[in-house]
Amino acid sequence: ETGVTQTPRHLVMGMTNKKSLKCEQHLGHNAMYWYKQSAKKPLELMFVYNFKEQTENNSVPSRFSPECPNSSHLFLHLHTLQPEDSALYLCASSQERPEAQYFGPGTRLLVL
Amino acid sequence: DQQVKQNSPSLSVQEGRISILNCDYTNSMFDYFLWYKKYPAEGPTFLISISSIKDKNEDGRFTVFLNKSAKHLSLHIVPSQPGDSAVYFCAASYGGSARQLTFGSGTQLTVLP
Repeated sequence: ETGVTQTPRHLVMGMTNKKSLKCEQHLGHNAMYWYKQSAKKPLELMFVYNFKEQTENNSVPSRFSPECPNSSHLFLHLHTLQPEDSALYLCASSQERPEAQYFGPGTRLLVL
Repeated sequence: DQQVKQNSPSLSVQEGRISILNCDYTNSMFDYFLWYKKYPAEGPTFLISISSIKDKNEDGRFTVFLNKSAKHLSLHIVPSQPGDSAVYFCAASYGGSARQLTFGSGTQLTVLP
């Protein structure tokens, strides 16, 4: 595997479910990110991890819980989501500044 | 309030001609700008970037121009090819870092054969 991978690619969940999104980067980068893209809206940065430490949390509701066990892996734990949380969730990674961010293919999430 | 704006949601261009995608920003603290391309069912792919100390950066068929006084940047693709058809996102950051990217809403480019 090369680049940034995300699993699952598609996810349908009920509002009472708990699920997790997984991201893995094979680029040797030290920073990882979660973004949300809702229909016809710009990508919104959710979380930033730098050397496994969370450095940014852009006012994201607590029903989204990130986890970064090491520099290569990033998780987004989901619980009691709302239908408006349905979106494309993208993971990205980057190296030292001003390196560009490299994105995974995303997880298309539908909350019923 | 969107700090990075792409006012044209779509653009159609004939193959071989120039494609010009535009982006405006409001935050004068932004000092690093990037363009990404996104195909359906894929994540955005980095295309080209420019630092605020430059006004032009070129990479093959792609050139980005930055006009700081107008807070405007543009991406030129010459010549346009059908494979360039995708959504193009403009992004900006400050502090010389690409860590905190603010994205525009994207422009769908269609290159007609």
